[in-house]
Amino acid sequence: KNQVEQSPQSLIILEGKNCTLQCNYTVSPFSNLRWYKQDTGRGPVSLTIMTFSENTKSNGRYTATLDADTKQSSLHITASQLSDSASYICVVSARGSTLGRLYFGRGTQLTVWP
Amino acid sequence: ETGVTQTPRHLVMGMTNKKSLKCEQHLGHNAMYWYKQSAKKPLELMFVYNFKEQTENNSVPSRFSPECPNSSHLFLHLHTLQPEDSALYLCASSQRTGFQGETQYFGPGTRLLVL
Repeated sequence: KNQVEQSPQSLIILEGKNCTLQCNYTVSPFSNLRWYKQDTGRGPVSLTIMTFSENTKSNGRYTATLDADTKQSSLHITASQLSDSASYICVVSARGSTLGRLYFGRGTQLTVWP
Repeated sequence: ETGVTQTPRHLVMGMTNKKSLKCEQHLGHNAMYWYKQSAKKPLELMFVYNFKEQTENNSVPSRFSPECPNSSHLFLHLHTLQPEDSALYLCASSQRTGFQGETQYFGPGTRLLVL
């Protein structure tokens, strides 16, 4: 069964600190993995996308890693800011499926305190 | 802003009401999607439209009826809903479907409460 599991479910950190969010998946055959950021009251916005051959992708203070062998990904946030408070969703696409067939994790709710 | 707008942003309706959600994208995309987002659950794909034609119906109850009059507009007609249908309904668009490298752009969602 294709699944995407994220941990932790929620996380509270102080402004300026770093944090790492985890995503494990069983989706096969793997095509790509995305991290989305969803602010409260808004729709998800894509942060990064990684294919099978990529193991690191950065977008400003966000760095995503992918280990296709262990089927794990992480999203590292450096020097957190209050605006980083949001839900971070891991989404995996299976090769050969229509774009509509994406597998979503439940998300990690990150709260950054001043 | 992502270029995808949704109205209304909030909606409260009784189980016997009929209402419609509207989505409009200004990105020139050819594919549009409806998703349901419930608390502590992953996003659930409901419908996919490609060039105005419905290509996916993810076993959605008939009390949800989509309509796509053109590639820029997508509607979700609601009737005789149940309280468990209360959720955030997200619309998304992408250049086209069938290509896993495509990015979906989401609207802000409509927060629906069924009483």
